[in-house]
Amino acid sequence: DQQVKQNSPSLSVQEGRISILNCDYTNSMFDYFLWYKKYPAEGPTFLISISSIKDKNEDGRFTVFLNKSAKHLSLHIVPSQPGDSAVYFCAANGREGGTSYGKLTFGQGTILTVHP
Amino acid sequence: GAVVSQHPSRVICKSGTSVKIECRSLDFQATTMFWYRQFPKKSLMLMATSNEGSKATYEQGVEKDKFLINHASLTLSTLTVTSAHPEDSSFYICSASRGLAGGEQFFGPGTRLTVL
Repeated sequence: DQQVKQNSPSLSVQEGRISILNCDYTNSMFDYFLWYKKYPAEGPTFLISISSIKDKNEDGRFTVFLNKSAKHLSLHIVPSQPGDSAVYFCAANGREGGTSYGKLTFGQGTILTVHP
Repeated sequence: GAVVSQHPSRVICKSGTSVKIECRSLDFQATTMFWYRQFPKKSLMLMATSNEGSKATYEQGVEKDKFLINHASLTLSTLTVTSAHPEDSSFYICSASRGLAGGEQFFGPGTRLTVL
């Protein structure tokens, strides 16, 4: 049962344009969402997160949008740069037992390629 | 801040031997550490969750006698692959959480294990 899904395995974008990476989730208990970037043979790097009390969070070129009713979030990168080429994972978390946050649930990842 | 290191970055061993991988949070105390395994072109697979001073919680299908986890302090967790087999060859990644809201995890750079 895949609770966090990234339905696009890959995305190709021209440098300077917008990259939009999508993520859907099924568990309504999730209330915190994160995006990670990963290069081959390296650990994931945290990019940006959003709490369910918000619908948008922006940090420089990165913006995450959350649509709770649709159980959908997206990561926008503007403008896209060749150095952004990597695998992007979305992850979700929720309070287990109503107290603390537990393990992250990851999507399958989307390979972003930004062409010069 | 929030830097996590792993050692070694690469290890090659013979079948039947044991290999220890260290994960350290360098500039913060980690209430919880996590161990992941990544198969080629696959998402991160959570193996176990460990809290300092207590036994690790293993995910379904992960052999706890084969993958020994010791969380000796708030800055150090170790994963020992016992009696390694070629099918244990993989990329192992640890992460650490500070226990803040959202359960954000900070990842180490990963360890490439090759079992001959």
